[in-house]
Amino acid sequence: DAGVTQSPTHLIKTRGQQVTLRCSPKSGHDTVSWYQQALGQGPQFIFQYYEEEERQRGNFPDRFSGHQFPNYSSELNVNALLLGDSALYLCASSPVGQGVGTGELFFGEGSRLTVL
Amino acid sequence: SQQGEEDPQALSIQEGENATMNCSYKTSINNLQWYRQNSGRGLVHLILIRSNEREKHSGRLRVTLDTSKKSSSLLITASRAADTASYFCATDENTDKLIFGTGTRLQVFP
Repeated sequence: DAGVTQSPTHLIKTRGQQVTLRCSPKSGHDTVSWYQQALGQGPQFIFQYYEEEERQRGNFPDRFSGHQFPNYSSELNVNALLLGDSALYLCASSPVGQGVGTGELFFGEGSRLTVL
Repeated sequence: SQQGEEDPQALSIQEGENATMNCSYKTSINNLQWYRQNSGRGLVHLILIRSNEREKHSGRLRVTLDTSKKSSSLLITASRAADTASYFCATDENTDKLIFGTGTRLQVFP
Protein backbone atom coordinates (compact mmCIF):
# COMPACT_ATOMS: atom_id res chain seq x y z
CA ASP A 1 0.00 0.00 0.00
CA ALA A 2 1.69 3.18 -1.18
CA GLY A 3 1.86 5.99 1.29
CA VAL A 4 1.66 9.66 0.42
CA THR A 5 3.74 10.44 -2.64
CA GLN A 6 4.94 13.86 -3.73
CA SER A 7 6.63 15.10 -6.87
CA PRO A 8 9.04 16.47 -7.74
CA THR A 9 11.38 15.82 -4.82
CA HIS A 10 13.63 18.77 -5.62
CA LEU A 11 13.32 21.72 -7.93
CA ILE A 12 14.99 25.05 -8.56
CA LYS A 13 13.16 28.10 -9.86
CA THR A 14 13.97 31.77 -10.29
CA ARG A 15 12.12 34.72 -8.83
CA GLY A 16 8.89 35.53 -10.61
CA GLN A 17 8.39 32.05 -11.98
CA GLN A 18 5.51 29.75 -11.17
CA VAL A 19 5.66 26.25 -9.70
CA THR A 20 3.28 23.30 -9.40
CA LEU A 21 3.79 20.60 -6.81
CA ARG A 22 1.84 17.35 -6.81
CA CYS A 23 0.61 14.97 -4.13
CA SER A 24 -1.09 11.60 -4.17
CA PRO A 25 -2.69 10.75 -0.84
CA LYS A 26 -2.50 7.42 0.89
CA SER A 27 -5.01 4.88 -0.37
CA GLY A 28 -8.37 5.38 1.33
CA HIS A 29 -7.66 9.00 2.25
CA ASP A 30 -9.76 11.83 0.92
CA THR A 31 -8.42 14.91 2.72
CA VAL A 32 -5.16 16.59 1.74
CA SER A 33 -3.36 19.31 3.67
CA TRP A 34 -0.34 21.28 2.48
CA TYR A 35 2.38 22.70 4.69
CA GLN A 36 5.40 24.93 4.10
CA GLN A 37 8.47 24.28 6.20
CA ALA A 38 11.31 26.76 6.09
CA LEU A 39 14.73 25.59 7.18
CA GLY A 40 14.89 25.16 10.95
CA GLN A 41 11.20 25.95 11.43
CA GLY A 42 8.05 23.98 12.08
CA PRO A 43 5.59 23.23 9.27
CA GLN A 44 3.21 26.12 8.53
CA PHE A 45 -0.32 25.25 7.43
CA ILE A 46 -1.12 26.51 3.92
CA PHE A 47 -4.52 24.99 3.16
CA GLN A 48 -6.61 21.86 3.20
CA TYR A 49 -8.67 20.23 0.45
CA TYR A 50 -11.66 17.96 0.86
CA GLU A 51 -14.22 16.98 -1.77
CA GLU A 52 -12.31 19.06 -4.32
CA GLU A 53 -12.81 22.24 -2.34
CA GLU A 54 -10.50 24.35 -0.19
CA ARG A 55 -11.91 23.92 3.33
CA GLN A 56 -9.33 25.62 5.52
CA ARG A 57 -6.62 28.16 4.78
CA GLY A 58 -3.67 29.42 6.72
CA ASN A 59 -2.06 32.84 6.58
CA PHE A 60 -0.68 32.62 3.05
CA PRO A 61 -1.19 35.09 0.18
CA ASP A 62 -3.32 34.39 -2.87
CA ARG A 63 -0.15 33.53 -4.79
CA PHE A 64 -0.59 30.13 -3.16
CA SER A 65 -3.43 28.18 -4.68
CA GLY A 66 -4.39 24.58 -4.96
CA HIS A 67 -6.62 22.02 -6.49
CA GLN A 68 -7.95 18.60 -5.63
CA PHE A 69 -8.95 16.11 -8.30
CA PRO A 70 -11.76 13.52 -8.20
CA ASN A 71 -9.19 10.82 -7.37
CA TYR A 72 -8.24 12.90 -4.25
CA SER A 73 -4.78 13.81 -5.57
CA SER A 74 -3.86 17.44 -5.16
CA GLU A 75 -1.68 20.19 -6.58
CA LEU A 76 -0.14 23.21 -4.94
CA ASN A 77 0.59 26.17 -7.21
CA VAL A 78 2.73 29.13 -6.27
CA ASN A 79 2.85 32.14 -8.60
CA ALA A 80 5.34 35.02 -8.77
CA LEU A 81 7.91 33.17 -6.70
CA LEU A 82 9.87 35.08 -4.08
CA LEU A 83 13.18 34.14 -2.50
CA GLY A 84 11.27 33.59 0.76
CA ASP A 85 9.22 30.82 -0.85
CA SER A 86 12.27 28.55 -0.68
CA ALA A 87 11.21 25.74 1.63
CA LEU A 88 10.21 22.11 1.98
CA TYR A 89 6.58 21.71 0.93
CA LEU A 90 4.85 18.86 2.68
CA CYS A 91 1.62 17.15 1.76
CA ALA A 92 -0.36 15.21 4.35
CA SER A 93 -3.46 13.08 3.99
CA SER A 94 -6.06 11.75 6.38
CA PRO A 95 -8.71 9.07 6.06
CA VAL A 96 -12.28 9.32 4.87
CA GLY A 97 -14.52 10.60 7.62
CA GLN A 98 -11.71 11.45 10.04
CA GLY A 99 -11.40 15.06 11.01
CA VAL A 100 -7.91 16.35 10.36
CA GLY A 101 -7.33 17.34 13.94
CA THR A 102 -8.73 14.18 15.45
CA GLY A 103 -6.28 11.62 14.18
CA GLU A 104 -2.97 10.89 12.58
CA LEU A 105 -1.82 12.79 9.52
CA PHE A 106 0.23 10.81 7.02
CA PHE A 107 2.99 12.87 5.42
CA GLY A 108 4.87 12.55 2.18
CA GLU A 109 8.62 13.14 1.98
CA GLY A 110 8.13 16.63 0.62
CA SER A 111 9.18 18.72 -2.34
CA ARG A 112 12.18 20.94 -1.71
CA LEU A 113 11.85 24.20 -3.61
CA THR A 114 14.78 26.54 -4.05
CA VAL A 115 14.11 29.99 -5.47
CA LEU A 116 17.13 31.84 -6.85
CA SER B 1 1.58 31.70 12.66
CA GLN B 2 2.53 28.74 14.82
CA GLN B 3 0.38 27.57 17.67
CA GLY B 4 2.95 25.97 19.86
CA GLU B 5 6.46 26.40 21.03
CA GLU B 6 8.70 23.54 22.00
CA ASP B 7 11.30 23.83 24.69
CA PRO B 8 14.20 23.35 24.55
CA GLN B 9 14.96 24.26 20.95
CA ALA B 10 17.82 21.77 20.97
CA LEU B 11 18.79 18.91 23.26
CA SER B 12 21.91 16.73 23.28
CA ILE B 13 22.11 13.57 25.39
CA GLN B 14 23.96 10.25 25.57
CA GLU B 15 22.42 6.94 24.59
CA GLY B 16 20.52 5.40 27.49
CA GLU B 17 19.53 8.75 28.98
CA ASN B 18 15.99 10.05 29.00
CA ALA B 19 14.96 12.99 26.83
CA THR B 20 12.20 15.37 27.85
CA MET B 21 10.80 18.06 25.60
CA ASN B 22 7.96 20.44 26.32
CA CYS B 23 5.29 22.11 24.25
CA SER B 24 3.18 25.13 25.08
CA TYR B 25 0.19 26.24 23.06
CA LYS B 26 -2.11 29.24 23.03
CA THR B 27 -5.75 28.28 22.45
CA SER B 28 -8.10 25.57 23.65
CA ILE B 29 -7.73 22.23 21.90
CA ASN B 30 -9.48 18.94 21.30
CA ASN B 31 -6.28 16.95 20.82
CA LEU B 32 -2.52 17.32 20.87
CA GLN B 33 -0.20 15.21 18.75
CA TRP B 34 3.54 14.64 18.63
CA TYR B 35 5.42 14.04 15.39
CA ARG B 36 9.00 13.15 14.57
CA GLN B 37 11.00 14.34 11.56
CA ASN B 38 14.33 13.00 10.43
CA SER B 39 16.44 15.65 8.74
CA GLY B 40 14.77 16.92 5.59
CA ARG B 41 12.21 14.12 5.52
CA GLY B 42 8.47 13.89 6.07
CA LEU B 43 6.88 13.86 9.50
CA VAL B 44 5.88 10.66 11.26
CA HIS B 45 3.09 10.52 13.80
CA LEU B 46 4.12 9.35 17.28
CA ILE B 47 1.17 9.74 19.60
CA LEU B 48 -2.13 11.58 20.08
CA ILE B 49 -3.52 12.66 23.44
CA ARG B 50 -7.05 13.96 23.81
CA SER B 51 -7.92 17.01 25.88
CA ASN B 52 -9.64 14.85 28.52
CA GLU B 53 -6.55 12.67 28.96
CA ARG B 54 -3.66 13.52 31.24
CA GLU B 55 -1.08 10.91 30.31
CA LYS B 56 -0.50 8.41 27.54
CA HIS B 57 2.19 5.81 26.84
CA SER B 58 3.44 4.18 23.67
CA GLY B 59 6.51 2.00 23.93
CA ARG B 60 9.36 4.20 25.19
CA LEU B 61 7.24 7.34 24.80
CA ARG B 62 5.29 9.01 27.56
CA VAL B 63 3.17 12.09 26.88
CA THR B 64 1.47 14.27 29.45
CA LEU B 65 -1.05 17.02 28.89
CA ASP B 66 -1.99 19.86 31.25
CA THR B 67 -4.83 21.82 29.68
CA SER B 68 -4.93 24.31 32.55
CA LYS B 69 -1.35 25.33 31.74
CA LYS B 70 -1.78 24.76 28.00
CA SER B 71 1.29 22.56 27.95
CA SER B 72 2.41 19.06 27.10
CA SER B 73 5.60 17.07 27.54
CA LEU B 74 7.12 14.20 25.60
CA LEU B 75 9.47 11.84 27.43
CA ILE B 76 11.62 9.38 25.51
CA THR B 77 13.11 6.82 27.87
CA ALA B 78 16.37 4.93 27.31
CA SER B 79 17.17 6.95 24.21
CA ARG B 80 19.02 5.49 21.24
CA ALA B 81 21.13 7.09 18.53
CA ALA B 82 18.26 6.33 16.14
CA ASP B 83 16.04 8.71 18.13
CA THR B 84 18.07 11.61 16.75
CA ALA B 85 15.49 13.79 14.97
CA SER B 86 13.32 16.88 15.36
CA TYR B 87 10.16 16.51 17.42
CA PHE B 88 7.08 18.67 16.92
CA CYS B 89 3.88 19.05 18.84
CA ALA B 90 0.70 19.85 16.91
CA THR B 91 -2.73 20.97 18.03
CA ASP B 92 -6.10 21.34 16.36
CA GLU B 93 -7.07 24.74 17.86
CA ASN B 94 -10.64 23.37 18.06
CA THR B 95 -10.72 23.49 14.26
CA ASP B 96 -10.33 20.84 11.62
CA LYS B 97 -6.70 21.63 10.89
CA LEU B 98 -3.43 20.76 12.58
CA ILE B 99 -1.02 23.50 13.60
CA PHE B 100 2.59 22.65 14.41
CA GLY B 101 5.01 24.11 16.90
CA THR B 102 8.57 25.20 16.35
CA GLY B 103 10.19 21.87 17.21
CA THR B 104 12.93 20.44 19.42
CA ARG B 105 16.06 19.11 17.75
CA LEU B 106 17.24 16.04 19.64
CA GLN B 107 20.76 14.67 19.22
CA VAL B 108 21.55 11.33 20.87
CA PHE B 109 25.24 10.44 21.00
CA PRO B 110 26.33 6.78 20.99
